[in-house]
Amino acid sequence: KAGVTQTPRYLIKTRGQQVTLSCSPISGHRSVSWYQQTPGQGLQFLFEYFSETQRNKGNFPGRFSGRQFSNSRSEMNVSTLELGDSALYLCASSRTSRQGGLYEQYFGPGTRLTVT
Amino acid sequence: GQNIDQPTEMTATEGAIVQINCTYQTSGFNGLFWYQQHAGEAPTFLSYNVLDGLEEKGRFSSFLSRSKGYSYLLLKELQMKDSASYLCAVRGDNTDKLIFGTGTRLQVFP
Repeated sequence: KAGVTQTPRYLIKTRGQQVTLSCSPISGHRSVSWYQQTPGQGLQFLFEYFSETQRNKGNFPGRFSGRQFSNSRSEMNVSTLELGDSALYLCASSRTSRQGGLYEQYFGPGTRLTVT
Repeated sequence: GQNIDQPTEMTATEGAIVQINCTYQTSGFNGLFWYQQHAGEAPTFLSYNVLDGLEEKGRFSSFLSRSKGYSYLLLKELQMKDSASYLCAVRGDNTDKLIFGTGTRLQVFP
């Protein structure tokens, strides 16, 4: 079974630009979550999608947005990039259902975003 | 507020046992997870606890006390490949939102 895939793996952008990151979950997983990882802050939750609906959102500004498609693939977008947005962006998928349930999340390799 | 605390760094010797502690204060609780992350790689799932007590998985065990807001990860028969960061994370509700601690960097020496 293929794991979680993320594209691109590396990205360099300049301040003010926008960026779109993509995530394909493990087949059969309908829940996709996004996290930002920086050396100082660790892993911070951005948002979670289930069946094309955002179920939960972290404390990030509105410049960070996401969506999920009918095939469970997800994208996140960051507009008006700032230097502080430089980070590793990780996507994770799980078998969590609409009713919940407790399942582990499987992480993708991440997209390393550098803003200059 | 939400707060998860872990030691920043730990060192241990190959073959030894090490315990990594995690304390948490969150507005809700629906499970505590441990992940391992090698440098430059994605986190990988190790274990989770929902009820109080010890969960054993080979060389790794995880313990939870909900009344104390406390968990630990126990690694036995340490190997060099166990050198990694260990992340404690709490799930507060019925969704997949995880609140992570900043992680404990473990270095195993020969």
